[in-house]
Amino acid sequence: DAGITQSPRHKVTETGTPVTLRCHQTENHRYMYWYRQDPGHGLRLIHYSYGVKDTDKGEVSDGYSVSRSKTEDFLLTLESATSSQTSVYFCASDTGTGNRNTIYFGEGSWLTVV
Amino acid sequence: AQRVTQPEKLLSVFKGAPVELKCNYSYSGSPELFWYVQYSRQRLQLLLRHISRESIKGFTADLNKGETSFHLKKPFAQEEDSAMYYCALSGDNDMRFGAGTRLTVKP
Repeated sequence: DAGITQSPRHKVTETGTPVTLRCHQTENHRYMYWYRQDPGHGLRLIHYSYGVKDTDKGEVSDGYSVSRSKTEDFLLTLESATSSQTSVYFCASDTGTGNRNTIYFGEGSWLTVV
Repeated sequence: AQRVTQPEKLLSVFKGAPVELKCNYSYSGSPELFWYVQYSRQRLQLLLRHISRESIKGFTADLNKGETSFHLKKPFAQEEDSAMYYCALSGDNDMRFGAGTRLTVKP
């Protein structure tokens, strides 16, 4: 499982409040990703990072921002949470080397916006 | 733009029957394709990838560039194969997933 942990695992928050999800990996993986998982949509990429301070947008980046100040940490922030952001969020990382693209996933963070 | 399509959201078969989960892709470059599986209440995990040409848990998948497909197959489904299956395509820097197919294997 590449030592990927997410926190918090479960959170309920109110509309309009900021929320930050943290992803921590201990494998020194270069690439890290944030996905959201929704019924009927599968996994959709929110943002990804290809190195410290190097990030880019995915398919559904509106309303989200990310930061990568250290190799091991990738933060996802909802500046002002909306009900449409109720979802399960998965962090992932991969090696960026010869075995690149074997992505390892965290256990998921269940976010409910009320 | 890269895109992965899994046309079946739900697939149900009986134990011992063959199963095929469909995946089609669009990508302008040379694709790297994967199948990931998510068992109930577990994290997603890699099942197989096309460059390895391997068989995992009896599953195989062949990349057909002419049909832009990467269908997942198993000749004899087992109850423990019941799970959510995602086809994924690796692009320049990211990994895109299909919407997933929920496979149910009935006894």
